[in-house]
Amino acid sequence: DSGVTQTPKHLITATGQRVTLRCSPRSGDLSVYWYQQSLDQGLQFLIQYYNGEERAKGNILERFSAQQFPDLHSELNLSSLELGDSALYFCASSVSSLSGGGTDTQYFGPGTRLTVL
Amino acid sequence: QQPVQSPQAVILREGEDAVINCSSSKALYSVHWYRQKHGEAPVFLMILLKGGEQKGHDKISASFNEKKQQSSLYLTASQLSYSGTYFCGTASNAGNMLTFGGGTRLMVKP
Repeated sequence: DSGVTQTPKHLITATGQRVTLRCSPRSGDLSVYWYQQSLDQGLQFLIQYYNGEERAKGNILERFSAQQFPDLHSELNLSSLELGDSALYFCASSVSSLSGGGTDTQYFGPGTRLTVL
Repeated sequence: QQPVQSPQAVILREGEDAVINCSSSKALYSVHWYRQKHGEAPVFLMILLKGGEQKGHDKISASFNEKKQQSSLYLTASQLSYSGTYFCGTASNAGNMLTFGGGTRLMVKP
């Protein structure tokens, strides 16, 4: 158990809908990262927040947005969902503020499996 | 550009050794290794920073060759629990995001 929690574990929805994924980082960690993992693919970095501020952006679609709240939990919002958005979405956390997390140990949560029908 | 991992898949018997390579076309600052079991979260194994250091714990170790822009993960005397997909994540400087390779599937059989 990494100490990072994500809810829900599974989410099934229809095309065109909007969903919100939630992540709580490990105690003491200020950075939260979001990753997308499509079937049998590697991890694609989406976005990083540090202490409520956006720090780094990867290949995140305009239909996707995220935020980090004062209690440090983060939410990833996915809208106008398409079939291709079906994937595992992981949140990770680390202590440091360095953007992108190139030197930090990132601890991953259990993921949310999103299925778009 | 994502790093290239090789081999893509490997099957071992318990007790055998394996090497997984991670190569980048860019200069590397750090390499991060993770193991992921199917449908589960990636689990952190180790970080290597530029300087060519070698790290290890238990029977899993890794090296980082800065000049060749590559890292290798060494699994010795493999155990059934080593089965899973191994990912390397690389960063070209301290402030960069991690870019992950496509993964290497490792299966250890009794």
